[in-house]
Amino acid sequence: EVQLVESGGVVIQPGGSLRLSCVASGFTFADYTIHWVRQAPGKGLEWVSLISWDGGSKYYADSVRGRFTVSRDNSKKSLYLQMNSLRIEDTALYYCAKEIHPYGDQDSLDSWGQGTLVTVSS
Amino acid sequence: SYVLTQPPSVSVAPGQTARITCGGNNIGSKSVHWYQQKPGQAPVLVVYDDSDRPSGIPERFSGSNSGNTATLTISRVEAGDEADYYCQVWDSNSDHPGVFGTGTKVTVL
Repeated sequence: EVQLVESGGVVIQPGGSLRLSCVASGFTFADYTIHWVRQAPGKGLEWVSLISWDGGSKYYADSVRGRFTVSRDNSKKSLYLQMNSLRIEDTALYYCAKEIHPYGDQDSLDSWGQGTLVTVSS
Repeated sequence: SYVLTQPPSVSVAPGQTARITCGGNNIGSKSVHWYQQKPGQAPVLVVYDDSDRPSGIPERFSGSNSGNTATLTISRVEAGDEADYYCQVWDSNSDHPGVFGTGTKVTVL
C-alpha cells in the first residue's frame, strides 16, 4: 500500500524557518516525481513545488520561490521542504503527493499524504 | 500565469447527473486532471489525462476536454459524491507549472 506521511508542521512566528518532511513507503520512491501542495484554512488547493524523480528538476510557485527549497533523499525515501522567511499567508496544510507514473514530469497526482499543518502567527 | 475557473457550487439531486466545468485559455490543448476532496480528507484523483479513471474510481465519473472548457461529469449521483472538486493542469511553458482550479462544491440535495 502506498503511503506518504508528512511531518514538521508547527506554529511559528513570521520570518521564521521550518523544514517539512515526507516519508514514503509502498512504492519505489526513487522512480517518482513528488510534489508539495498546500491548502490554506477554508481555501482551495495551491501547488507549491515539485522535484523530479532524480532531483534534477525543481519548480516552485511564484509565491514561494526564493524562500522555499525542495529536496529529496532517495536512500531514505524522503522528501523535504525547507521554508524560510515565513509569512502569515504561508499558513496552510501542506501535502506531499506522488505522480501517477514513474519517471514522469508534470503528471497527475495519484497518492497524497494526510498533510502537516503550518501556522505562521505572531 | 495560467488561470482555471470553476463554478463555486453545483447542486444535484440523487440519481441525476452533475457537470462541473473548468475554464481555461485553450485548455483543450492540455491534459486535465480532476480531484475529489471530502471534508477533513486529502484529495483523491478521480480522472486524469482528460478522461481516464484510476483503478477503484467508479465509471460514474467521466471527463471531457475541448476548446476552452473541460468538464467532469458525475452520473447517477450518490450522497457520497458530495465534496469539493478541483481541476488541475500543468502549464509546461511556465517556470511555475502547477495550476489548480478554484474548486467547486458539489451538494447532493
